[in-house]
Amino acid sequence: GAVVSQHPSWVICKSGTSVKIECRSLDFQATTMFWYRQFPKQSLMLMATSNEGSKATYEQGVEKDKFLINHASLTLSTLTVTSAHPEDSSFYICSATADRQETQYFGPGTRLLVL
Amino acid sequence: QKEVEQDPGPLSVPEGAIVSLNCTYSNSAFQYFMWYRQYSRKGPELLMYTYSSGNKEDGRFTAQVDKSSKYISLFIRDSQPSDSATYLCAMTLRGKLIFGQGTELSVKP
Repeated sequence: GAVVSQHPSWVICKSGTSVKIECRSLDFQATTMFWYRQFPKQSLMLMATSNEGSKATYEQGVEKDKFLINHASLTLSTLTVTSAHPEDSSFYICSATADRQETQYFGPGTRLLVL
Repeated sequence: QKEVEQDPGPLSVPEGAIVSLNCTYSNSAFQYFMWYRQYSRKGPELLMYTYSSGNKEDGRFTAQVDKSSKYISLFIRDSQPSDSATYLCAMTLRGKLIFGQGTELSVKP
């Protein structure tokens, strides 16, 4: 149980385009989803927390207009990187928790390369 | 000072060795303590999860928490080459996970 999927697993795009990443909880209802980014040889950095049906809460230093998060249902959250630039190239990982649970289950990650 | 400190390694051991991975933390408000394993280019996988001081065992893995010393450990017995990965300790605070830097482990056959 507690499987989280992400799509796509990797994406290459041109600078200036927007990229959407989907995160789905497959066998449980995720009241809260989290988005992280990870640079090589570094730990995960929390970007934002989203609860179903409400606006995401962004961490300090994360541009909410650049990283749009939508959590429209209990099984789906999306992260859109708008007007992507090469410095946005990174590994983006989502996680999800069920109601009143502390354990976060992670997706397999999406590798984004902006040329 | 970071809230969670973890030796980044890398750590290299022979197959069959006992591995000890450690984290220290400074915030006594942390509630839950977890260990994740992350293979290269993959998302973290939850290994162990506990909230009280003491030991918790699951197969070859033992998680140890010492809240008085603000110290957690993960022990891996009879380590296997398939255990080669980065191990991340993590702690929760108000629903958020705070990660250590991760320790890169290599188990040589």
